[in-house]
Amino acid sequence: KAGVTQTPRYLIKTRGQQVTLSCSPISGHRSVSWYQQTPGQGLQFLFEYFSETQRNKGNFPGRFSGRQFSNSRSEMNVSTLELGDSALYLCASSLGQNNQPQHFGDGTRLSIL
Amino acid sequence: AQSVTQPDIHITVSEGASLELRCNYSYGATPYLFWYVQSPGQGLQLLLKYFSGDTLVQGIKGFEAEFKRSQSSFNLRKPSVHWSDAAEYFCAVGAGYNNNDMRFGAGTRLTVKP
Repeated sequence: KAGVTQTPRYLIKTRGQQVTLSCSPISGHRSVSWYQQTPGQGLQFLFEYFSETQRNKGNFPGRFSGRQFSNSRSEMNVSTLELGDSALYLCASSLGQNNQPQHFGDGTRLSIL
Repeated sequence: AQSVTQPDIHITVSEGASLELRCNYSYGATPYLFWYVQSPGQGLQLLLKYFSGDTLVQGIKGFEAEFKRSQSSFNLRKPSVHWSDAAEYFCAVGAGYNNNDMRFGAGTRLTVKP
């Protein structure tokens, strides 16, 4: 069974640009969550999608948005990039039912110049 | 809101020695607790989880953790560490439906000496 796949693995952008990251969950998983990981702030929850609807949202500005498609694949978009957005962005999927753990992808390393 | 504290930023142990990584949580109700491990350049791998029942849970790679409600702790242990265990370890607490509002500790980096 394939794991969570995130593309691309590495990305370099400049300030002011926008970026879209992709996440393909484990087959059968309907919930996709996104996290930002930085040395200073650690792992922070961005948002979670279930059945194409955002079900939960962390404390991030509106520049961070996402969506989920009917096949459960998810994309995350960051607009007007700032230097502080440099981070490892992790996607996690789960069945979406209670008590089911999340399974993480290897992440997308985003660097802002 | 739930929160997690991992008091040790960095721990060094000798190969073959025992290991205990500390985790304290704050949450009003019965928490869902997790330990994840992250190797450099990779995502997080679930080691074990606690939802209810037996307070001593077994995980993969020979790890175990004990839930102690009175101490609000969920410490991770391994009787004999292998060099391949060197990584960063994260404790997490989930709340609500699907545990999707997960809060992670700051992590403990484990170094294994030969």
